[in-house]
Amino acid sequence: EPEVTQTPSHQVTQMGQEVILRCVPISNHLYFYWYRQILGQKVEFLVSFYNNEISEKSEIFDDQFSVERPDGSNFTLKIRSTKLEDSAMYFCASSEAGGTGELFFGEGSRLTVL
Amino acid sequence: QKEVEQDPGPLSVPEGAIVSLNCTYSNSAFQYFMWYRQYSRKGPELLMYTYSSGNKEDGRFTAQVDKSSKYISLFIRDSQPSDSATYLCAMSADNDMRFGAGTRLTVKP
Repeated sequence: EPEVTQTPSHQVTQMGQEVILRCVPISNHLYFYWYRQILGQKVEFLVSFYNNEISEKSEIFDDQFSVERPDGSNFTLKIRSTKLEDSAMYFCASSEAGGTGELFFGEGSRLTVL
Repeated sequence: QKEVEQDPGPLSVPEGAIVSLNCTYSNSAFQYFMWYRQYSRKGPELLMYTYSSGNKEDGRFTAQVDKSSKYISLFIRDSQPSDSATYLCAMSADNDMRFGAGTRLTVKP
């Protein structure tokens, strides 16, 4: 069964460092998303991406965040100059069609900022 | 007012019980309504998906959407210990989805 894969599963970084989280969406999916979940809190939307550009982003997705689809298979989330409060699980998701809600999530990348 | 409200629980029931999980929302633009199940340290997994108002049944799970009241429900019949997880309601309009806080459910054998 096709699945969304994410790497790394866990990353520990120092405050102020840059982090890149990688995702390989399901191959025939066209819409890609990043969500985050701070420990014990709700899943929060960060950004959606379609046709090589951001289609929606939340207020959380400020200038320290960026997304890229560098090679047609990977979908990356870059966090520049990480802060302590960036510590969370970051989930990548993909869907065949936008807005329908049938998202398939990866297992998540746990980011710990020290 | 939050866009999506969901009681985080925790909710504990005996095996075999009927479980009722609910969410309310404020954005009338939402058209797609979902329930996700999330096991500890795993990504959310889609359980049920409905479009607009109405009921949908899948095995032991029934999802209800009442757009006039901005209220959605998930019922689990004959609950099993394997149903123990966090249940997230979610709803979407266009290309982003909003999640509820998630209700942590424990089904005790």
